[in-house]
Amino acid sequence: EDQVTQSPEALRLQEGESSSLNCSYTVSGLRGLFWYRQDPGKGPEFLFTLYSAGEEKEKERLKATLTKKESFLHITAPKPEDSATYLCAVQASRWGPLVFGKGTRLSVIA
Amino acid sequence: DTAVSQTPKYLVTQMGNDKSIKCEQNLGHDTMYWYKQDSKKFLKIMFSYNNKELIINETVPNRFSPKSPDKAHLNLHINSLELGDSAVYFCASSEGSGGLSLFGSGTQLSVL
Repeated sequence: EDQVTQSPEALRLQEGESSSLNCSYTVSGLRGLFWYRQDPGKGPEFLFTLYSAGEEKEKERLKATLTKKESFLHITAPKPEDSATYLCAVQASRWGPLVFGKGTRLSVIA
Repeated sequence: DTAVSQTPKYLVTQMGNDKSIKCEQNLGHDTMYWYKQDSKKFLKIMFSYNNKELIINETVPNRFSPKSPDKAHLNLHINSLELGDSAVYFCASSEGSGGLSLFGSGTQLSVL
């Protein structure tokens, strides 16, 4: 069974304190790994797609990386507006659904 | 605005009632989904449709019946609502065989 595990469950950072979120996955074959951001009361907002080991994507203070077993979401010099739940998901097969992890709840304190 | 929109945003109802949630996307996508997010915020697939054809039907009680009148719409009808159905339901869409999916803002269903 395809599985996605995210850690930590919750993370509290001071503004400017860089850190990383982890997403480890077990799938039969990876078609894509996805990072989303979810704010309270809203739907997940797409951030990145990664397709193969070694791939990296960047957007503002966020950088996502991928290995054969895990992905990291690096947050550099976070700001309070980066506070949200970050969700990782994988697609294991064509027409397969996204399988989500339980998310990391990030709080950035000014 | 190009988006996935679902209505209503909130739905409060009594046990045993029947209710529907509507979803529409104007992105030109041909695959649509329903996901359920439980109280622990875990997001799980329920159904997916491609060009009005059912592709995925996870282990969901048959009280839940999706209907896709065209590829831009995927509605969810729920019969005989139970307390355990309380959750946030998200509609999403993607192009082709899945992958990058864009989500609606959710419908919070509360069954009393």
